[in-house]
Amino acid sequence: GENVEQHPSTLSVQEGDSAVIKCTYSDSASNYFPWYKQELGKRPQLIIDIRSNVGEKKDQRIAVTLNKTAKHFSLHITETQPEDSAVYFCAASIENAGNMLTFGGGTRLMVKP
Amino acid sequence: EAQVTQNPRYLITVTGKKLTVTCSQNMNHEYMSWYRQDPGLGLRQIYYSMNVEVTDKGDVPEGYKVSRKEKRNFPLILESPSPNQTSLYFCASRSMTGGKTGELFFGEGSRLTVL
Repeated sequence: GENVEQHPSTLSVQEGDSAVIKCTYSDSASNYFPWYKQELGKRPQLIIDIRSNVGEKKDQRIAVTLNKTAKHFSLHITETQPEDSAVYFCAASIENAGNMLTFGGGTRLMVKP
Repeated sequence: EAQVTQNPRYLITVTGKKLTVTCSQNMNHEYMSWYRQDPGLGLRQIYYSMNVEVTDKGDVPEGYKVSRKEKRNFPLILESPSPNQTSLYFCASRSMTGGKTGELFFGEGSRLTVL
């Protein structure tokens, strides 16, 4: 089955700096890669996703890049703000195949004001 | 309001005492799933269901049962809970129409402690 590894497990940045979280996956058939944000004590919520037919997707301060050859994808947050502090999960799956959405272990991002 | 509702939100129980965590969604989603969240391990899928009377095992199904008798409900059953099932549990649902993987909508979570 799919295996998703996520790094780093914790990340501390200064407000205004950029943050990058990286994930690798094992199943070359995976073609859907969402990112979820979980604020303290809250439920995970989708913030952005990317499909394998594109290499990059942006939404305001958030961007995700995908390298299918290397089987890795990354989340980039620019101009970080304190409200970006949360746990971020990457995930991978085969589009609508089942569906086993396999999550990475999570990254705790702390943005210092 | 579109939502996934889990109950109970918090539960402390003892080894071997059967318990059920209920999950209900009001979005007419075909797909429902249960995850457990443990530090450093992310969200691991326990069971999922793509429609009524259709369920399948996820990554960590041992010690759990589910049923899908109605489209809106997907209860998680622990027949004989053990301390290693102490965890934070999330129910989630999503639409399967349109041919694309839709957003997973999570419930608020159920924190279970087994003594």
